[in-house]
Amino acid sequence: SAVISQKPSRDICQRGTSLTIQCQVDSQVTMMFWYRQQPGQSLTLIATANQGSEATYESGFVIDKFPISRPNLTFSTLTVSNMSPEDSSIYLCSVRTEYEQYFGPGTRLTVT
Amino acid sequence: AQTVTQSQPEMSVQEAETVTLSCTYDTSENNYYLFWYKQPPSRQMILVIRQEAYKQQNATENRFSVNFQKAAKSFSLKISDSQLGDTAMYFCAFMPFSGGGADGLTFGKGTHLIIQP
Repeated sequence: SAVISQKPSRDICQRGTSLTIQCQVDSQVTMMFWYRQQPGQSLTLIATANQGSEATYESGFVIDKFPISRPNLTFSTLTVSNMSPEDSSIYLCSVRTEYEQYFGPGTRLTVT
Repeated sequence: AQTVTQSQPEMSVQEAETVTLSCTYDTSENNYYLFWYKQPPSRQMILVIRQEAYKQQNATENRFSVNFQKAAKSFSLKISDSQLGDTAMYFCAFMPFSGGGADGLTFGKGTHLIIQP
């Protein structure tokens, strides 16, 4: 398994601003993933972050809106840019071992 | 692309009863993993159980077991002797087998399970 931490745990932001979410893992991993969970909904994959290369985005998500950094094998950031109330969600990072995926505790974002 | 369907938005049972949550999926992949995750109000996603598609034997973890029917693309979760702490959202999820490990999870919409005292 893996122990994953995220910062901040929650935040309230004004529309038009940006927020950067940090994800730290206690071991080196190749792939890190970012998911969004809108209120009362399931999880949707935003992008996959591989160390040393550009993130791969899922349909409906673009780099200008959700830039991702992956500077090393234990850390990644997701930025939510030019926020609107529709961006209010829980954002979760996860890592994949050979057989499973483990999740961080999530960041609850509210945009006013 | 794959899809995961959970047709029970909410279920409620009495403590100590057995409950079964349903999940069906659609994929053209032959090798993949299936999971059940639990999300309590704390919102932490907790891995409950994993099933490899190439294994015919159903996975079991203490009070949790699955009924995996590959031909029918069905993957149900059975919780025996249910406890109040089992109250949570339960998500069924699909992950392709990939040597590069680059594939994320596809989730169902979830089932809200309520265990009544």
